[in-house]
Amino acid sequence: NAGVMQNPRHLVRRRGQEARLRCSPMKGHSHVYWYRQLPEEGLKFMVYLQKENIIDESGMPKERFSAEFPKEGPSILRIQQVVRGDSAAYFCASSRELHGWQEQFFGPGTRLTVL
Amino acid sequence: KNEVEQSPQNLTAQEGEFITINCSYSVGISALHWLQQHPGGGIVSLFMLSSGKKKHGRLIATINIQEKHSSLHITASHPRDSAVYICAVVLYYGGATNKLIFGTGTLLAVQP
Repeated sequence: NAGVMQNPRHLVRRRGQEARLRCSPMKGHSHVYWYRQLPEEGLKFMVYLQKENIIDESGMPKERFSAEFPKEGPSILRIQQVVRGDSAAYFCASSRELHGWQEQFFGPGTRLTVL
Repeated sequence: KNEVEQSPQNLTAQEGEFITINCSYSVGISALHWLQQHPGGGIVSLFMLSSGKKKHGRLIATINIQEKHSSLHITASHPRDSAVYICAVVLYYGGATNKLIFGTGTLLAVQP
């Protein structure tokens, strides 16, 4: 049973370009969480999605960032017109159900570098 | 003040020592995670607990819900245990979401 998959593992973009980060949850998991880890800082929640629905986006920057989790395919975190401050590690996690006692399993992360 | 506080922030130990990392939180939670992250690496979930104590190999995690405190213990530490250990809590919201709130992490270095 494959774990949470993220790709690409490393992504380099120039300022103003778009970045697309993909997350495939574990088999049987329908809940996806995106977290961001800025350099020398702790992890912060960004967004929580279920299939075809955004449930909680309280941690998402108001502009340039969007997320989706379509019925088919991986969850996508999209960053438009990237700036140097977007350079960070982006982790997704998945769980089977909503309940607080459902463990979240993390992917290996995507390390975004903005030149 | 952060909702989740960890101590110490940095810890250096000699191989074989018993290690304790502490986590205190100020909010109601439904569960607490202990995570491990190697430098430049991914995140591995070590434990998820909502009460009592769990043990896995040389690792032991305890939680006291009344005191809002959890500890992670490593027995017979080894250089390969060197990593950042992160405490994360699931807020007790009553159902809308179970996003994680993270501590700032404890950087552990175990010297041979």
